Formats: sequence, C-alpha cells, structure tokens
Amino acid sequence: DVKVTQSSRYLVKRTGEKVFLECVQDMDHENMFWYRQDPGLGLRLIYFSYDVKMKEKGDIPEGYSVSREKKERFSLILESASTNQTSMYLCASSLSGSGNTGELFFGEGSRLTVL
Amino acid sequence: SQQGEEDPQALSIQEGENATMNCSYKTSINNLQWYRQNSGRGLVHLILIRSNEREKHSGRLRVTLDTSKKSSSLLITASRAADTASYFCAPPNQAGTALIFGKGTTLSVSS
Repeated sequence: DVKVTQSSRYLVKRTGEKVFLECVQDMDHENMFWYRQDPGLGLRLIYFSYDVKMKEKGDIPEGYSVSREKKERFSLILESASTNQTSMYLCASSLSGSGNTGELFFGEGSRLTVL
Repeated sequence: SQQGEEDPQALSIQEGENATMNCSYKTSINNLQWYRQNSGRGLVHLILIRSNEREKHSGRLRVTLDTSKKSSSLLITASRAADTASYFCAPPNQAGTALIFGKGTTLSVSS
C-alpha cells in the first residue's frame, strides 16, 4: 500500500524555535509538496519539489524553507517559529510521469502549535 | 493565484439523499481533481476528470466538467453517514506545476 508518512502528528513548540517537519514517501515519486491548512482559508501551497535538491516556492513561502536531499524525503523547516505558523501541515507526493498535476497522495498531517 | 472555489461551504442532508457540490476555477486547465478529507486527517484522491471529458463516474460519484463555464460538480448519490467529510476540488495552478485547493464543502450526512 502506498504511503506518505509525516513524522509527527502533533507538535508544540515555542516562539523562536527552529522546527523541522519531516515527510517520507515510499512510492518513488519525483514530486513532493507541503501545504498548510487553516480554518476558513483552505489548503495553501508552501513549497514543492520535483526532484532531489530542487525546490519551488508556492503561494506562501515566507517564514519557511525546505530540504530535499533524498528522493523519498522532503523536510519543511520553520527557521524561527511564530504563533501565526500554528496550523495543520500536510505533505503530499505525486508521480512525475503523470505531470506535476497528477494524483496527490497525502500524509495524515502534522498539527503544529506555536506558543 | 488560481484557486478552486467550492459551493456551498456546508451541506447537511439525510442518508439516502444525493449531495451535489460545485466548483469554479479561473484559468484554462488540462484536468481537475476532487479530494475528500475526514476530520483531522489527510486528503484522499477521489477522481480526476480531463479537460476533454464532460462526465466521469466512479461508484456512487459522478463528476462533470464544463470548461466553457470553468466549473465542475461532484454528485454523491445515495449518501451514507460515512460520506460525512470535507470535499475539495483541485485544479492545477496557472503554471501547471501544482494543485490549488479551495476551502472545501463540508458535507454532513445524518442517519
């Protein structure tokens, strides 16, 4: 069964901390994505990557960075967490052959609270 | 950026009834997808419809696409309590590099 695994379902961090959200997929997918989901705002794209060491900014990249050192792993980094980054973070992956707009496979989400 | 906009925002029906959700988008697309999200979980892909298709079926799901109106609809027939979830349409962004999600339609099916 295909799987996208997000390392932490729930995290509580303090303002100013550096936060790492990890995502691993076992489907050999080229494309990986990070979204955040907030009530009333839906899902918003933060960053995506279509190959190892490649990254593209999404709609709301400010305050975030990403790392893709291996094909199966895509990390989202909050360099200095702020309260407005309290959110649900969703990782997803897709095959390159189906185009960058092919079917997405999502992880279960990481709910981050920044105090 | 382009975004799928779902309508209505919320829908409450009884088991056995049909549920229809609509989606509008802004630019030309090559396909459009629908996803489902159970409360507090990740999204699950339901169906993809290509721009040259007008209608597509999958089990109790029927999706239509009208590219001239830049709109799509998702029909769930004979709804069940287990269909209670949020539903999102997801057109590609303008560059065709990622999917853009709206706020979704929250469907509640009561038994």
